[in-house]
Amino acid sequence: EAGVAQSPRYKIIEKRQSVAFWCNPISGHATLYWYQQILGQGPKLLIQFQNNGVVDDSQLPKDRFSAERLKGVDSTLKIQPAKLEDSAVYLCASSLELAGGESEQFFGPGTRLTVL
Amino acid sequence: GENVGLHLPTLSVQEGDNSIINCAYSNSASDYFIWYKQESGKGPQFIIDIRSNMDKRQGQRVTVLLNKTVKHLSLQIAATQPGDSAVYFCAERETGGFKTIFGAGTRLFVKA
Repeated sequence: EAGVAQSPRYKIIEKRQSVAFWCNPISGHATLYWYQQILGQGPKLLIQFQNNGVVDDSQLPKDRFSAERLKGVDSTLKIQPAKLEDSAVYLCASSLELAGGESEQFFGPGTRLTVL
Repeated sequence: GENVGLHLPTLSVQEGDNSIINCAYSNSASDYFIWYKQESGKGPQFIIDIRSNMDKRQGQRVTVLLNKTVKHLSLQIAATQPGDSAVYFCAERETGGFKTIFGAGTRLFVKA
C-alpha cells in the first residue's frame, strides 16, 4: 500500500516570497492533516480536513497560510508571504476516518522549508 | 523530518538493554494517548496507543504505562536494538476531540 506522498521534499526561499506544498493522502482516507514541525519540537497541527471540509484550523496563521482540499483527495498548503520563523518541516498525515479520534494517522516524509 | 532531534533530551542505552522514555502531559481532559517514533528524514510513525481506562498496554517489545493521577506516560522498549534509535513523541487527545497534541520528544540513541 502506498503511503502519504508529499512534494517537494526540500524548498529554500527568501523571506516575503511565496511557497506551496502538495500532499496526496493514502487512498480512501477521509481525513487529512497538515502539521508544522519546528526543529527540536513536536509537530503542531495547522489544519485538519475531513473530505473537503475544514474540521480545525484554529492554529493556522490565516494572514499568511492557506490550505485547500478541493476534491477531498489531495491538498495544497500555501504560505504567502513567508517569514523567517516559517522555517520548519511541514508534515502531511491522513487517517481513515475521524471515528472519535482513534483512527491511526499515517504521516508523509515532510517538506523541509528554509526561509532566508 | 531531518535533524528533528538536535535540541531534544537524549537517552543513551546499550544495545540489548531496556529503555524507558517518559512523558508528562498537561490536559486532564485527555483520554487517549499515542507514542510515535520519528527517524531522521521521515514523518512520525505510530508505535502504540492507550486509552485512559487502562494503565498498561503491551505490544511487540513495547509497553506503555499510564498514570493518570500524576499525568504521566512512559514507553518501555525491551531489548533495545540499533534500529530503535530515533526521536520518540508522546501525543494526547481529548474525548471526542479532533486535535492531537504532541509533546516535546526524546531522542533515543542505542550504542552497539
